[in-house]
Amino acid sequence: NAGVMQNPRHLVRRRGQEARLRCSPMKGHSHVYWYRQLPEEGLKFMVYLQKENIIDESGMPKERFSAEFPKEGPSILRIQQVVRGDSAAYFCASSSDRNYGYTFGSGTRLTVV
Amino acid sequence: AQTVTQSQPEMSVQEAETVTLSCTYDTSESNYYLFWYKQPPSRQMILVIRQEAYKQQNATENRFSVNFQKAAKSFSLKISDSQLGDTAMYFCAFMKQDGQNFVFGPGTRLSVLP
Repeated sequence: NAGVMQNPRHLVRRRGQEARLRCSPMKGHSHVYWYRQLPEEGLKFMVYLQKENIIDESGMPKERFSAEFPKEGPSILRIQQVVRGDSAAYFCASSSDRNYGYTFGSGTRLTVV
Repeated sequence: AQTVTQSQPEMSVQEAETVTLSCTYDTSESNYYLFWYKQPPSRQMILVIRQEAYKQQNATENRFSVNFQKAAKSFSLKISDSQLGDTAMYFCAFMKQDGQNFVFGPGTRLSVLP
């Protein structure tokens, strides 16, 4: 079991470009969570998805950010028109059941230049 | 809303000695879970220990143990016989019993010195 796979590990984007972050959950896990970690801070919850559904997006900025978890393929976190303040590490986690058996990926570090 | 506070931004300990990391939280919930996660330089989030609030007995995992004081809303982590590989950021985290996401503290950077 390969664990939660995130790619790319590092992503550099110029201001105004789009960033697409991918997360493949552990085999058998149907719950996916995205968190953001700003430098020298703890992780902050962004969004919780199950297959094809957004369950809770209370932590997601209202503009420029979107997430999906299609029936087939990885979960995608999409950031449009990136700004310097979007520079952070973005972590994905998955679980087989809500609040049980959480496994984190190694994160994608996004740098906006 | 729940909040988690870690009042020690940085700590250091000599190898083989014991260190305690502090965590306090604020919640109106009666049933919840508390966690300590370790984040080494590799950035991987590694679960260290988990505590159910309804359990009075403190959780232990080998060299790691917690002191859970529910009335004081305190959840400290004790690392015994510290090893160089324990050097990492340590995050305390809260989750409601019927919740699905963590609330993390700001972290404590622990350095184990040879």
